Amino acid sequence: EVQLVESGGGLVKPGGSLRLSCAASGFTFNRYSMNWVRQAPGKGLEWVSSISSSSSFIYYSDSMKGRFTISRDNAKNSLYLQINNLRAEDTGVYYCARDPSSGGVCCDAFDIWGQGTMVTVSS
Amino acid sequence: DIQMTQSPFTLSASVGDRVTITCRASQSISTSLAWYQQKPGEAPKLLIYKASSLESGVPSRFSGSGSGIEFTLTINSLQPDDSATYYCQHYNSYSRTFGQGTKVEVK
Repeated sequence: EVQLVESGGGLVKPGGSLRLSCAASGFTFNRYSMNWVRQAPGKGLEWVSSISSSSSFIYYSDSMKGRFTISRDNAKNSLYLQINNLRAEDTGVYYCARDPSSGGVCCDAFDIWGQGTMVTVSS
Repeated sequence: DIQMTQSPFTLSASVGDRVTITCRASQSISTSLAWYQQKPGEAPKLLIYKASSLESGVPSRFSGSGSGIEFTLTINSLQPDDSATYYCQHYNSYSRTFGQGTKVEVK
């Protein structure tokens, strides 16, 4: 079964850091571009970042540049998102999602999503 | 950045109705447009890609159209299970912008 499972969320104090993980299974991970999408409580979807299959191309939403770092380990079939200097407005569910575009670079709709991991930033 | 604007924000319709949601891009995006359905507590689900291609397993009552700036998602013969929030998304090399969402209530 094709599956993405996020982990690493939790309660963090403002100014803290967190590393989210996304474990992929059921498909050849190193052939696909991957993404992070977040959703604040009661709000819409917000694209965070994308990384190509070989990590050659990395993009961030303008509002996420600087504090967010996306990475992947193809040997471990895993995607990561490092978030530093966390703020209250970073609170939300973080999803990883697969981009099935040919060549593993860009660009297509996100066909597989994980169930998300909740990040709460509060003192 | 390209902005995506959906309308309406919410809509209420009866079982069997035909429903249309519109998504407008701030500049031409060809057909690089997807539609997703999200139910409370669940991850989004891909419905339509490349503006009008139906994702495998999605009921045929869902359809997408448009190119350039204006796009539509149509649900023919609305069903109770279609109660959800629907998002459009533009995707290109530099951004994957979502619209703000349209909440559909089935009466």
